[in-house]
Amino acid sequence: SQQGEEDPQALSIQEGENATMNCSYKTSINNLQWYRQNSGRGLVHLILIRSNEREKHSGRLRVTLDTSKKSSSLLITASRAADTASYFCATRASGGYQKVTFGTGTKLQVIP
Amino acid sequence: EAGVVQSPRYKIIEKKQPVAFWCNPISGHNTLYWYLQNLGQGPELLIRYENEEAVDDSQLPKDRFSAERLKGVDSTLKIQPAELGDSAVYLCASSRDRGSIEQFFGPGTRLTVL
Repeated sequence: SQQGEEDPQALSIQEGENATMNCSYKTSINNLQWYRQNSGRGLVHLILIRSNEREKHSGRLRVTLDTSKKSSSLLITASRAADTASYFCATRASGGYQKVTFGTGTKLQVIP
Repeated sequence: EAGVVQSPRYKIIEKKQPVAFWCNPISGHNTLYWYLQNLGQGPELLIRYENEEAVDDSQLPKDRFSAERLKGVDSTLKIQPAELGDSAVYLCASSRDRGSIEQFFGPGTRLTVL
């Protein structure tokens, strides 16, 4: 079963614009990760945010986490055509060892 | 360093036929995962290995699916017999150990059952 749901399901923007995608989840978590998947490829880890953090940055990526709302957002600034991919949030629930559960994904298209 | 290797990349079979997928994780990675990814969805865990031991196979449909990782390195996932609904991408991932956060994914095997 999918723990996270992403919104929007699909997003199309012009190169240079910012892209924001959101993830909502259901249970308390230890951490939340974002992965990217290019068409026909495996997933690539982008960034991790722990439950006691509110914001993380990595290059053009900014992730926020609101544990009270059980939601996270991923912002990609100054998008490039190469950012075209599907983006998934992945959560690890709190309490002992818990498996990582992936969301449904946001399909981003960046138009050159 | 080589990434996670999977083969074949694509497989087309008729229903009721058997099929097998192979995965070689990153060298030194003790934890290996098999995921199922349906079109437009995120990956869903089928089975997780710690070395050669299957420690989480609760989502593996055991009537037709089986997996092994005999020497704690490479792994095989088998479906016998395949059904139309098994058409999907089968992803393999590995991590250094169960405490590692980041998983490294292979390119997947796209299975089409006709």
